Amino acid sequence: GNSVTQMEGPVTLSEEAFLTINCTYTATGYPSLFWYVQYPGEGLQLLLKATKADDKGSNKGFEATYRKETTSFHLEKGSVQVSDSAVYFCALSPFYNQGGKLIFGQGTELSVKP
Amino acid sequence: EAGVVQSPRYKIIEKKQPVAFWCNPISGHNTLYWYLQNLGQGPELLIRYENEEAVDDSQLPKDRFSAERLKGVDSTLKIQPAELGDSAVYLCASSLDAQGQNIQYFGAGTRLSVL
Repeated sequence: GNSVTQMEGPVTLSEEAFLTINCTYTATGYPSLFWYVQYPGEGLQLLLKATKADDKGSNKGFEATYRKETTSFHLEKGSVQVSDSAVYFCALSPFYNQGGKLIFGQGTELSVKP
Repeated sequence: EAGVVQSPRYKIIEKKQPVAFWCNPISGHNTLYWYLQNLGQGPELLIRYENEEAVDDSQLPKDRFSAERLKGVDSTLKIQPAELGDSAVYLCASSLDAQGQNIQYFGAGTRLSVL
């Protein structure tokens, strides 16, 4: 079946540190991959996406590359800010006949200290 | 452009009581989703609508949960009767259509506490 596994949190970093949040997936075919972010008290917002192998999604300094050979979509940022503190969700949308259904990982909480 | 609007934001009820959540999707979005998010977990799909038709409700506990999307716009999710284990955040999302590449836009959610 389809599933997403993320590294467990919480992740605590100092401001300007490098961020990596690991995400691996299991899926048939070629799913689309997403990172969503949830700030405290708010709904999920799309951070970036990639729809085919070797695509790189990027937004607000965050990047993730669709790696089919390792079934991974790790999130990275070169220099985090306090305002990046949030919960990050990796998700996939199966390729065929799934109606755009999103399958989420369990989320990784990021806390950035000044 | 207004986003996905959900109400209420918070709801506290006693077990065995009924409760309803309302969602107004982004204008023009044909596909509407209800997700359940338990504490510390990612959202899980409960039901998906294409216009007014429920096309995927396989994860909806139909003995106590029901949903409707009248005229293919607003949607209501109901629980009757509520149980302690229903305490969670209920998220509504919408997208232009059901293509897997399309972005789903989420509302802020309704946090339900069942006492």
